[in-house]
Amino acid sequence: SQQGEEDPQALSIQEGENATMNCSYKTSINNLQWYRQNSGRGLVHLILIRSNEREKHSGRLRVTLDTSKKSSSLLITASRAADTASYFCATWITGRRALTFGSGTRLQVQP
Amino acid sequence: EPEVTQTPSHQVTQMGQEVILRCVPISNHLYFYWYRQILGQKVEFLVSFYNNEISEKSEIFDDQFSVERPDGSNFTLKIRSTKLEDSAMYFCAIPADGLHGYTFGSGTRLTVV
Repeated sequence: SQQGEEDPQALSIQEGENATMNCSYKTSINNLQWYRQNSGRGLVHLILIRSNEREKHSGRLRVTLDTSKKSSSLLITASRAADTASYFCATWITGRRALTFGSGTRLQVQP
Repeated sequence: EPEVTQTPSHQVTQMGQEVILRCVPISNHLYFYWYRQILGQKVEFLVSFYNNEISEKSEIFDDQFSVERPDGSNFTLKIRSTKLEDSAMYFCAIPADGLHGYTFGSGTRLTVV
């Protein structure tokens, strides 16, 4: 698999439910970031977690990082229809100066 | 007001033509990045630009591509002879807060026909 594989590829939930997206990567990283992209628009930075951190919160977002398993998860609690978007993880690989993006999860929140 | 403005928002060009995509950050930045996203696919790194020089580039960034900072504030990505497979969204990005988060522009949708 490539750096930054995400699952599921698509997720459909009801408003108010929680949404969990997972990301796996292969190489050593400095940090891992999550971005959101509305259809046809630019990417919006959501949250960054450093390699020495295990969990981070920002509003309704909770990110975990397990460097031993080379995986991360993004949890969106109490989802809203406005959360409908694609969500990408991106890794800052040790020794590089650019982000490597995953393939993304398309989240659909039904009102 | 967006921190990074990209122009044009959409460009249609004939195969073999040259295109120039422009990016204007609000404040001066030393680091600058270009990424592209083919429709429905992942975001791919093209090139990073630091202090008026290319810092790193991907295998996608071949001789058909070039980047410049023509007047100290604007950044441009030039594709000399466009191919059909160059059709994609092109995003520029700047470091957001010194912690390796990025602020992305809204993108230029390039369609090569």
